[in-house]
Amino acid sequence: GAVVSQHPSWVICKSGTSVKIECRSLDFQATTMFWYRQFPKQSLMLMATSNEGSKATYEQGVEKDKFLINHASLTLSTLTVTSAHPEDSSFYICSASKLAESSYEQYFGPGTRLTVT
Amino acid sequence: SQKIEQNSEALNIQEGKTATLTCNYTNYSPAYLQWYRQDPGRGPVFLLLIRENEKEKRKERLKVTFDTTLKQSLFHITASQPADSATYLCALDTGGGFKTIFGAGTRLFVKA
Repeated sequence: GAVVSQHPSWVICKSGTSVKIECRSLDFQATTMFWYRQFPKQSLMLMATSNEGSKATYEQGVEKDKFLINHASLTLSTLTVTSAHPEDSSFYICSASKLAESSYEQYFGPGTRLTVT
Repeated sequence: SQKIEQNSEALNIQEGKTATLTCNYTNYSPAYLQWYRQDPGRGPVFLLLIRENEKEKRKERLKVTFDTTLKQSLFHITASQPADSATYLCALDTGGGFKTIFGAGTRLFVKA
């Protein structure tokens, strides 16, 4: 199998606080993990690509100081939303890349619903 | 500019019919294309991957075609069931498996 977990599944926080979301590949090692955010009825927007042991690569328009990514091991990546504001409320989804027959398949976590009040 | 478009925001069909979803792209040359299913409040689930040198791929009731000349992929669900109701996303590899770009998705409703 290829299972990816996320924790927490939902979180409510106050404006100005920071929130950490964990993404784990449970039964395979993932050198690359991806973080997405998704607004209602919209597609997944790639925020950053996270490689184990190196700095994350952020997409244009994504503030790296606001969305801190740490890829500490081959099975764990974390996203910290710093000084969260209501506009950061969204559905955050991670995925882990697994090599299969010379191409990469992405396996997604169940997502984390962040609500900033 | 680069674009991925899925044919319609929503598609309604009757149970037992074949659902056909379309994904068109411009200004990409993907090595492969993927289809995912996403249920409300959940992460996408991988369904099928088709490579640029493959015309068609099947998995149970699912069939995907890939026409690199037309820059289009078709996703078919035969003998559709209400349980197939979900949002279906197409996604392109932009090179080396390091970045995948998603379409906006098509919401499929299968009526009993």
